[in-house]
Amino acid sequence: AQSVTQPDIHITVSEGASLELRCNYSYGATPYLFWYVQSPGQGLQLLLKYFSGDTLVQGIKGFEAEFKRSQSSFNLRKPSVHWSDAAEYFCAVVLYGGSQGNLIFGKGTKLSVKP
Amino acid sequence: DVKVTQSSRYLVKRTGEKVFLECVQDMDHENMFWYRQDPGLGLRLIYFSYDVKMKEKGDIPEGYSVSREKKERFSLILESASTNQTSMYLCASKIRGGETQYFGPGTRLLVL
Repeated sequence: AQSVTQPDIHITVSEGASLELRCNYSYGATPYLFWYVQSPGQGLQLLLKYFSGDTLVQGIKGFEAEFKRSQSSFNLRKPSVHWSDAAEYFCAVVLYGGSQGNLIFGKGTKLSVKP
Repeated sequence: DVKVTQSSRYLVKRTGEKVFLECVQDMDHENMFWYRQDPGLGLRLIYFSYDVKMKEKGDIPEGYSVSREKKERFSLILESASTNQTSMYLCASKIRGGETQYFGPGTRLLVL
């Protein structure tokens, strides 16, 4: 079955430390890939997306993600975390050429930031 | 900027009540979606619509229905609310043929 896996349910990092959130997908073809962020009590905000081309994509708020076809991964990174980055992060995919473009989400990784 | 609004941020309803959740987008998007979000389960698709008066079931449609009478508005209906429908409900929209969905702020529904 098609799926998106975020192996880490909860991660805690210190403010100023680097961050990597993992995402793996299981599809035969390369899907469209997304990272969304959800601050407490809020809706989802798009951080970045990958459709094709350069496998390292830059997003908002200083985030970046790297697509690795060989590992079926699309990990999210940030070199220096700020306290305001505490939120829940969702990886999502859309199958290439999907007729209705339905997103399939991972279960999310909650990020806590220590002062 | 795309704007997706949801009629209520918080709702408290009683078991058996009929509940309407409204979603409006202002970007003339053809496709609209309703998700529910529960801790540890992520987002799950309830229903989606790719045009006015068109609807398709998502992964968890049981206990829900939808209405799309106008392009900008997509309503989620709980015919007879139950406690297991207590959840966060998120609406999204996107342009036909596009891949990026834009989300509303969510409605947190409590069914007592």
